[in-house]
Amino acid sequence: RKEVEQDPGPFNVPEGATVAFNCTYSNSASQSFFWYRQDCRKEPKLLMSVYSSGNEDGRFTAQLNRASQYISLLIRDSKLSDSATYLCVVNMSWGKFQFGAGTQVVVTP
Amino acid sequence: EAGVAQSPRYKIIEKRQSVAFWCNPISGHATLYWYQQILGQGPKLLIQFQNNGVVDDSQLPKDRFSAERLKGVDSTLKIQPAKLEDSAVYLCASSSRTSGGATVTGELFFGEGSRLTVL
Repeated sequence: RKEVEQDPGPFNVPEGATVAFNCTYSNSASQSFFWYRQDCRKEPKLLMSVYSSGNEDGRFTAQLNRASQYISLLIRDSKLSDSATYLCVVNMSWGKFQFGAGTQVVVTP
Repeated sequence: EAGVAQSPRYKIIEKRQSVAFWCNPISGHATLYWYQQILGQGPKLLIQFQNNGVVDDSQLPKDRFSAERLKGVDSTLKIQPAKLEDSAVYLCASSSRTSGGATVTGELFFGEGSRLTVL
């Protein structure tokens, strides 16, 4: 079993719609969680951290469920510019970051 | 503030040749990472440095890959000899750390990557 698993997609989303996807992790001792965004042929960039209480940043909402060992990302009112691959990242320990394979989102006009 | 610098951006070599990639992290960042990202996959950690010491190199294929960060600043990743399956983007990232050791913000700052094609 992979340490961090994601649905690869693609999720084809009409502009203005809502899309949500999850990421599961295997190590229950994982300390912190993040969503990174990676555009085609570009480097990953931090989108948002994920806190136990859930957190929101504009149209993006992230949630953590420690009991079931998954995190989620929801994008509301999708924009064409949201088209990207979203990487789930888990901080295992001592600054060791484990990346998922990514979920591709394609927003269509 | 200058970001993470990597070079070269692109490299094409034949199998069994050698290649070296260079990375200069953000000034003051003690932790430096080398990741390998194969097309369609997430980044895979090759090696993690804390200053000039190795924290984790468990996934580094040591028979052909080597990395160093001699002065705790810039770093070099070398592949010798290269194989076809080494074709990937090699990403360097850096992060800051507290005096306690664990990364606080969790933000990794990536360079633009070095794209390697092995023919």
